[in-house]
Amino acid sequence: GQQLNQSPQSMFIQEGEDVSMNCTSSSIFNTWLWYKQDPGEGPVLLIALYKAGELTSNGRLTAQFGITRKDSFLNISASIPSDVGIYFCAGQLGAGGTSYGKLTFGQGTILTVHP
Amino acid sequence: DGGITQSPKYLFRKEGQNVTLSCEQNLNHDAMYWYRQDPGQGLRLIYYSQIVNDFQKGDIAEGYSVSREKKESFPLTVTSAQKNPTAFYLCASSMGRDGETQYFGPGTRLLVL
Repeated sequence: GQQLNQSPQSMFIQEGEDVSMNCTSSSIFNTWLWYKQDPGEGPVLLIALYKAGELTSNGRLTAQFGITRKDSFLNISASIPSDVGIYFCAGQLGAGGTSYGKLTFGQGTILTVHP
Repeated sequence: DGGITQSPKYLFRKEGQNVTLSCEQNLNHDAMYWYRQDPGQGLRLIYYSQIVNDFQKGDIAEGYSVSREKKESFPLTVTSAQKNPTAFYLCASSMGRDGETQYFGPGTRLLVL
C-alpha cells in the first residue's frame, strides 16, 4: 500500500522552542490530517487540510498542504510541556471506490519537551 | 456527550481464544473503522464499514472479523488465527461522505497471556 515518510522520528527540545515536522508521500492525497496522541489514548485531530497550498493555524500550531499534494508539514511555536506526545500525519484520497475514506498514517514523531 | 467509546480499556487473551472488542459511537456517523497500532509504527487499517450491514477488509484483515448490524456499533473479533494479537486497537468513525475527517476512540490494549 501507500507509504508516508514522517520525520523526524523523535525530537527533544527545550520549552519555548519552535518545532517542525513533515510528511512526504510517493503519491498524492486530497486531504492531509495531523493528529496528536497522548500515551494510552486515541489520536486527537489537530488540523485538517483540504486544498493544495492551504496554510491553516490552530493556536500555536500551523500546518501546510504541499503544492504537489505529496507532502505536508506541521509547526508548533513556543512549545510548552503539554505538547509532549506523538504526532501523526495522515493522508486521505477521499476519491471513492476501494480507497473511500481510508487514511494512510505516517510512523509518528515523538516529541519531548524539557521544562 | 457525543463521542466514541471503546471497551474494555485492557483485555487479556489466552492462546487459542477469540476475543471481541467493543466500539460504540453516538455521533450519527455512517462510517466506522478499526486500526491496529504497534510501538514505533503508524496506525494500520484492519477493517472499515461505510454503511450498516456492509464492511471491507483493510490492509491487515487476516485473523480478524467484524460485524455492522447497527449504525452505532462496530465490534472487532480477534480470532485465534491472528498469531500476533498483542497491540493497541483503535476504533474511529466519520460522517462517511468523501473526505470527511475521522475521529478516534480511546483505544483498547490487548495482551496475550
